[in-house]
Amino acid sequence: DAEITQSPRHKITETGRQVTLACHQTWNHNNMFWYRQDLGHGLRLIHYSYGVQDTNKGEVSDGYSVSRSNTEDLPLTLESAASSQTSVYFCASSESRGFSMNTEAFFGQGTRLTVV
Amino acid sequence: DAKTTQPNSMESNEEEPVHLPCNHSTISGTDYIHWYRQLPSQGPEYVIHGLTSNVNNRMASLAIAEDRKSSTLILHRATLRDAAVYYCILRFNSGGYNKLIFGAGTRLAVHP
Repeated sequence: DAEITQSPRHKITETGRQVTLACHQTWNHNNMFWYRQDLGHGLRLIHYSYGVQDTNKGEVSDGYSVSRSNTEDLPLTLESAASSQTSVYFCASSESRGFSMNTEAFFGQGTRLTVV
Repeated sequence: DAKTTQPNSMESNEEEPVHLPCNHSTISGTDYIHWYRQLPSQGPEYVIHGLTSNVNNRMASLAIAEDRKSSTLILHRATLRDAAVYYCILRFNSGGYNKLIFGAGTRLAVHP
């Protein structure tokens, strides 16, 4: 079965280190998204991509970057981890039919990141 | 960007129907209404979506007001497993891109 997987599921890192969270989907979806979820803020969009070599900033993109070199993967990089980036991160993907909104999104199980 | 308004929390008893409301008074003609839910310690999962007509699937029903300014997610018989945060989302097109922007959602508690 097609799926979307995130790794690692849990990570602890130190302030100032570069961290990369992986997201891999096997649906061949063009659309991929990264969210963070914090208590009191719900899910907030960090970056999104609508295809290979396409990346866009979301609501809370400062301190994060993404790259899309193939359809299956959208890694999220924290250039210099800060304590404010302690959060649960979710990756999602959806099919694109000419940018149609008539499609469902599939979410990964999340990565819990702690920056100490 | 059009926004949605949902109650912070609702309660239900097991095996009773649940009606989860959502207001989206600034919805535009091309916005789809999506519902997702998030079970504890899991990623969000798709429930249902619609544009103008009421929709049914194996999980729930979606009733959309005629003016599209509000909608209601209907769980016909709540189970304990339906306890989750339910998000009503408008999926809109911005500059040629479509986004999925989440609000605070409604936390549904289901009592045995």
